[in-house]
Amino acid sequence: DIQMTQSPSSLSASVGDRVTITCQSSHDVRKFLNWFQQRPGRAPKLLIYDASNLDTGVPSRFSGSGSGTHFTLTINGLQPEDSATYYCLQYENLPSFGPGTKVSIK
Amino acid sequence: QVQLVESGGGVVRPGRSLRLSCSASGFTFTNFAMHWVRQAPGKGLEWVAVVSTDGSKTYHASSLKGRFTISRDNSRNTLYLQMNSLRPDDTAVYFCATLGFWGQGTLVAVSS
Repeated sequence: DIQMTQSPSSLSASVGDRVTITCQSSHDVRKFLNWFQQRPGRAPKLLIYDASNLDTGVPSRFSGSGSGTHFTLTINGLQPEDSATYYCLQYENLPSFGPGTKVSIK
Repeated sequence: QVQLVESGGGVVRPGRSLRLSCSASGFTFTNFAMHWVRQAPGKGLEWVAVVSTDGSKTYHASSLKGRFTISRDNSRNTLYLQMNSLRPDDTAVYFCATLGFWGQGTLVAVSS
């Protein structure tokens, strides 16, 4: 099984800040990595697929990068509605999620 | 529009079985592998199982130790999850998903 880690586990930032979340995999997953946003009580929402492609309708302040074992999700200009938990998911092999990063607004 | 609607959740005693269903509409169901993902209360997302587009291949999380079985009926645009020998730690919201599209989830609570 491929293990996923994320850092930090939580962060607090101000509106307008740039926020970066890191995801690492235990094995090379090439670019088979998605990023999801989940607000409390809601289903996860796809933000980024194949490591760097923005899903339809997702604001351009979100971006993803990386390949292999190291990936990042960046939010350029944090907005109040971005308060949520963010998960990475690899699907190079049987899927596995990272433990999540909780983003809150100061 | 795309819709995935889960059903079949509820409260069940340990050791019993439950079958979840997920009805799909608004997209070509047969074009997508389908997944079940669960989330225990206050915890992260856990991948459960996947079934191929034609239903011929299935894969399950090793942690389930063979208790759960995913299947699909393409004539009904419906995904299933048969859960046997349920345990309290199976308590979670169960989501069906293409991983791009997600349902709203159905709650399974295993308790005596």
